[in-house]
Amino acid sequence: GAGVSQSPRYKVAKRGQDVALRCDPISGHVSLFWYQQALGQGPEFLTYFQNEAQLDKSGLPSDRFFAERPEGSVSTLKIQRTQQEDSAVYLCASSPTGGGRTDTQYFGPGTRLTVL
Amino acid sequence: GDSVTQMEGPVTLSEEAFLTINCTYTATGYPSLFWYVQYPGEGLQLLLKATKADDKGSNKGFEATYRKETTSFHLEKGSVQVSDSAVYFCAHGGSQGNLIFGKGTKLSVKP
Repeated sequence: GAGVSQSPRYKVAKRGQDVALRCDPISGHVSLFWYQQALGQGPEFLTYFQNEAQLDKSGLPSDRFFAERPEGSVSTLKIQRTQQEDSAVYLCASSPTGGGRTDTQYFGPGTRLTVL
Repeated sequence: GDSVTQMEGPVTLSEEAFLTINCTYTATGYPSLFWYVQYPGEGLQLLLKATKADDKGSNKGFEATYRKETTSFHLEKGSVQVSDSAVYFCAHGGSQGNLIFGKGTKLSVKP
């Protein structure tokens, strides 16, 4: 079956531009997560949705970052006025259940964002 | 705060050598523990997991045991292959269901 897909796979932006990154989770998955992975580092949590509700956005690094999942399926991570420090791979993951106990998360291939 | 510490890489081994990648964690309560693997050019995929103390996760010849007393989840494989070359990430479940990852350990296996 189809896994998690993300688009675009690569994005180059000039400093100050806005970008939008898309995530299509596995159909029927309740939970959706966004992570940021800097070069040579492990992924770091950004935000979490259970269906359309954004339950945790504590990892978003600034108010320039915004995420939504309006119909409980596709999600978009938007970064306004991009800065060079935003350059990273942005990973999306989904899992079939919600709730506190962690289930297996299925990751997409990521979007590599480069800000010039 | 919650964190995961895993051994620094890169690790270079010859084919059929024994592999250990150390992982320790700091967390509130008893989280689920995971090893994810990232093969060259591919996305993160689950390798194995354990959900409670003394559980052993296993897959593709890899094993890891959830040790509550030492807060560890070391990854082992008895005989590595060239195809095991990848970056390995240890992770634990956070309070909101998110994953908290270590920095990753790059493994290179030479024929």
